[in-house]
Amino acid sequence: DQQVKQNSPSLSVQEGRISILNCDYTNSMFDYFLWYKKYPAEGPTFLISISSIKDKNEDGRFTVFLNKSAKHLSLHIVPSQPGDSAVYFCAASSGTYKYIFGTGTRLKVLA
Amino acid sequence: EPEVTQTPSHQVTQMGQEVILRCVPISNHLYFYWYRQILGQKVEFLVSFYNNEISEKSEIFDDQFSVERPDGSNFTLKIRSTKLEDSAMYFCASSPTGREKLFFGSGTQLSVL
Repeated sequence: DQQVKQNSPSLSVQEGRISILNCDYTNSMFDYFLWYKKYPAEGPTFLISISSIKDKNEDGRFTVFLNKSAKHLSLHIVPSQPGDSAVYFCAASSGTYKYIFGTGTRLKVLA
Repeated sequence: EPEVTQTPSHQVTQMGQEVILRCVPISNHLYFYWYRQILGQKVEFLVSFYNNEISEKSEIFDDQFSVERPDGSNFTLKIRSTKLEDSAMYFCASSPTGREKLFFGSGTQLSVL
């Protein structure tokens, strides 16, 4: 039951360029979305969130876009830095007491 | 900045043994969670806890699992009789309202031999 999917397992980007990480969901009841970054052997670190009443949220280098009709969200990182190299997870909630996580995308930013 | 702390960072146990994983959520948070990640796989929801009771649990969270908030600060996950497939990184998380971001601990790596 993969309600949240990240179809790209990995992505490589040159330093200074834009990184675009994608996430698709199937449950139309999802109304709050989170992005997390995770380094090996550490817990996920919150990056940015978006509510379904918005289609964009920006925080510094990170912008999340939400397309409800397509059930798709994306995280843009610009400019990308080597320290951004990590696994990125999107997560979704439908107002219940849990977030469903995607499978993750490993981002590698090349210096 | 307040943190969620988890102990131990690593736990090795024999199959069939009981383990207790411990967490101290952020002090003013009301919602508590356990997630796990099997190596190379996604982060999976196990259970959420609010107002001293389980709010929601996944299919993974069967009768072998239990959670407890024994005092005002600790939140524990007990696995009664561990199986090989329980080997994973277990993450505790807490949230002020349940509708905002979750704050995760650094995890307990459980290895069942």
